[in-house]
Formats: sequence, C-alpha cells, structure tokens
Amino acid sequence: EVQLVESGGGLVKPGGSLRLSCAASGFSFSNAWMSWVRQVPGKGLEWVGRIKSKTDGGTTDYVAPVKGRFTLSRDDSKNTLYLQMNSLKTEDTAVYYCTTSRRDILTGNYEWYFDYWGQGTLVTVSS
Amino acid sequence: DIVMTQSPDSLAVSLGERATINCKSSQSVLYSSNNKNYLIWYQQKPGQPPKLLFYWASIRESGVPDRFSGSGSGTDFTLTISSLQAEDVAVYYCQQFYSSPLTFGGGTKVEIK
Repeated sequence: EVQLVESGGGLVKPGGSLRLSCAASGFSFSNAWMSWVRQVPGKGLEWVGRIKSKTDGGTTDYVAPVKGRFTLSRDDSKNTLYLQMNSLKTEDTAVYYCTTSRRDILTGNYEWYFDYWGQGTLVTVSS
Repeated sequence: DIVMTQSPDSLAVSLGERATINCKSSQSVLYSSNNKNYLIWYQQKPGQPPKLLFYWASIRESGVPDRFSGSGSGTDFTLTISSLQAEDVAVYYCQQFYSSPLTFGGGTKVEIK
C-alpha cells in the first residue's frame, strides 16, 4: 500500500524558514517523480514544484511565486522527499501535500499528474 | 502559463439528477504527436486530499463509478455525473499537465439540492 506522510509544518514568522518532509512507502521511491501541491484552507489547489528521479536526471521545476525561495530535494536511501522553504511570506500559508506522479503502464513513462497524495501538513506564516 | 477556468463555481443538484462541470484551458492541451489531451480530473471531499478521477481527459481511474464520465478535447472539457449520489458531494478540479507550470482550475463545488 502506497503511503505518503508529510511532516514539518507549523507556525513560522514572515521571513523565516521551514523544511517539510514526506516519508514514502509501498512503492519504488527512487524511481518515482514527486511533487508538492499546496492549498490555502478553503481555497483551490496550486502546484508548487516537482523533482524527477535521479536516474531521470533529478531535475526540479517550480511555480513562479516560489522560485528562488523553495527547494525540492530527495534522499532515496531514506525514501524521503523534502521541501526547504526560505524567506516565507504570509501568502505561503497553506496545507502542503506530497504527491506521486503516475507511471503509465503502457509506455513506462512518468506523467505529471498525481495518483497518490499524503494527508498534508499545514504551514502558517504569521507574525 | 496555461490558465484553467472551471464553471460553474458551484452547483446544487437533486439526488439522481445529472451534474455537469466545465473546464476550459487558455490554450490547447492536446498533444498532436500522440493525440492525447493532457487533462486530469480530481475529486476532493472535505478534510481529504484530492483523489484522481480521470486522466487523458476521459480515462476513468480504477474504482471510479461509471456514473462519472469525462469528455472533451483541445481546450474544452466536461466532467459529468449522470446520477448524483450523496457521496459525490465534493469539490472537483481539473488540471493540465501539457506544460509547466502545472495548473489547476479553481474548482467546482457540487452539493445536493
């Protein structure tokens, strides 16, 4: 059974930093392409960033509002995905979800949509 | 960036009646080389993360009831619930993965009338 468990959320002041973790199990994490998606409580979904597997280059990509402030990384030995968030702003307040990308059965390719989601961790940026 | 626009923002439908949700992309999400629409539908119930319903615009995810259907191509897409059940109360989102940044529609809240 696939499990994604986020941790590390909490209350932080504007300008502060926080590191989120996502512990993965039940699938081959080292081969997986992963993303973070966030949601302001009561509002819609916003993709934050993504990271490919190391064998596929390990490249990262981010949505414009977080570029230069957020960094995705992964530790395949620990089956864990990270999101380092620096220079936090009040508008970063949201529930942050860790997600897996679907691997197409027919082609073997990973596609950038999300088949498994964690329960999320709440980040509150407030003075 | 591809902007995804959903309509309506919310709708109330009687049990057993049809619910129709629209999603429009600001540019085509149909990839000509494989003739696939890079369009996804998710369902999110209160207090839960989103759940994948459809991929490639119309391929139903395993376990999704067949009262749900996805259709459309290019820039215009539709999610239809043919006979609304109480457990279908949720917010529904579309998402494009044609290009980065990946973007979602604003969501459509479905309620019981």
